[in-house]
Amino acid sequence: NAGVMQNPRHLVRRRGQEARLRCSPMKGHSHVYWYRQLPEEGLKFMVYLQKENIIDESGMPKERFSAEFPKEGPSILRIQQVVRGDSAAYFCASSPGRADKGTNEQFFGPGTRLTVL
Amino acid sequence: AQSVTQPDIHITVSEGASLELRCNYSYGATPYLFWYVQSPGQGLQLLLKYFSGDTLVQGIKGFEAEFKRSQSSFNLRKPSVHWSDAAEYFCAVGGFSGNTPLVFGKGTRLSVIA
Repeated sequence: NAGVMQNPRHLVRRRGQEARLRCSPMKGHSHVYWYRQLPEEGLKFMVYLQKENIIDESGMPKERFSAEFPKEGPSILRIQQVVRGDSAAYFCASSPGRADKGTNEQFFGPGTRLTVL
Repeated sequence: AQSVTQPDIHITVSEGASLELRCNYSYGATPYLFWYVQSPGQGLQLLLKYFSGDTLVQGIKGFEAEFKRSQSSFNLRKPSVHWSDAAEYFCAVGGFSGNTPLVFGKGTRLSVIA
């Protein structure tokens, strides 16, 4: 059973370009979370999605950032017009989404390390 | 507001010595508590979790953690540290009911010396 997959693992963009980060959840998982890790910091929640729905985007910057989790295919975190401050590691996690005890265990992908030049 | 505090930014221990990493949380409901480990350039691996029941939780790689509700703490321990344990350790808290985002501490970097 493959774990959470993220690609690319490393992404370099110049200021003003767009960055697209992809996340394929574990098989059978219908809930996806995106977190950002700045240097020397812990992970900060960005957005929580289920298939075709954004459940909680309270951690997402208001501008330039968007996320989707379509019916088919991976979840995408999109950053438009990147700036140097967007340089960070972006982690995706997935969970099964069952309404019983233990549903909040999240399994993390290896992350995408974004560098903005 | 939900928060997690890991008071020690960096800890150095000798190989074979015991280890305790501290974690205090603030959460308005019954929490789920987690410890994750991150090796340089890698993702997060779950070491152990606490949902309910026995307050002493056993995890992988010989780690354990104790939930103390009165102290709002969930400290991670290992009786004998190995050089391969050098990594960043993160404590996290999540909601008990349903799927909620995790709130992470800033992490504790563990260095192991011979």
